[in-house]
Amino acid sequence: GNSVTQMEGPVTLSEEAFLTINCTYTATGYPSLFWYVQYPGEGLQLLLKATKADDKGSNKGFEATYRKETTSFHLEKGSVQVSDSAVYFCALDSSYKLIFGSGTRLLVRP
Amino acid sequence: NAGVTQTPKFQVLKTGQSMTLQCAQDMNHEYMSWYRQDPGMGLRLIHYSVGAGITDQGEVPNGYNVSRSTTEDFPLRLLLAAPSQTSVYFCASRHPGTGELFFGEGSRLTVL
Repeated sequence: GNSVTQMEGPVTLSEEAFLTINCTYTATGYPSLFWYVQYPGEGLQLLLKATKADDKGSNKGFEATYRKETTSFHLEKGSVQVSDSAVYFCALDSSYKLIFGSGTRLLVRP
Repeated sequence: NAGVTQTPKFQVLKTGQSMTLQCAQDMNHEYMSWYRQDPGMGLRLIHYSVGAGITDQGEVPNGYNVSRSTTEDFPLRLLLAAPSQTSVYFCASRHPGTGELFFGEGSRLTVL
């Protein structure tokens, strides 16, 4: 069945460091892919999405490219801020059901 | 701009008790869903609905009931609570065009 695998956290970085959070997926066809972010005490909110191969989603300095050759959708940011500290979830769209990875906690230190 | 509203935010139950988690959305979305979030396991789909009168099971439906009598409301019922149902529960509705899920703030349930 369809599934999403994310790198385990926590990821701890200093402010202005480069961020990569790995995400790979298993799916039939070419589902839409998403990154959601969860700030402490809140629900998830959409960070970015890509709907087809080679699409690049971007928002708030974050980027992810839909790579069908490597079945990956890695999240990157060139310079993280303390305010980026949160849990990040990769997800894929599977016929009305969004399948989530286990989440990666990011902690950015000043 | 309310979006998705969940109540209660916190609840403590004893094993065997029943309760209902309420969820309401004001965006006229046909699709709504319930997830549970457990440490290290991400979000797992419990039940979902593609419109009023239509519900279906997700990945972990056992121990939970749902109904969808209106577009706005999608309550989740626990009939005989068990400690394994201790979790954070999220309700979400889905934008029909973009596929984006809009989440409530969550309901933290503890079953003793």
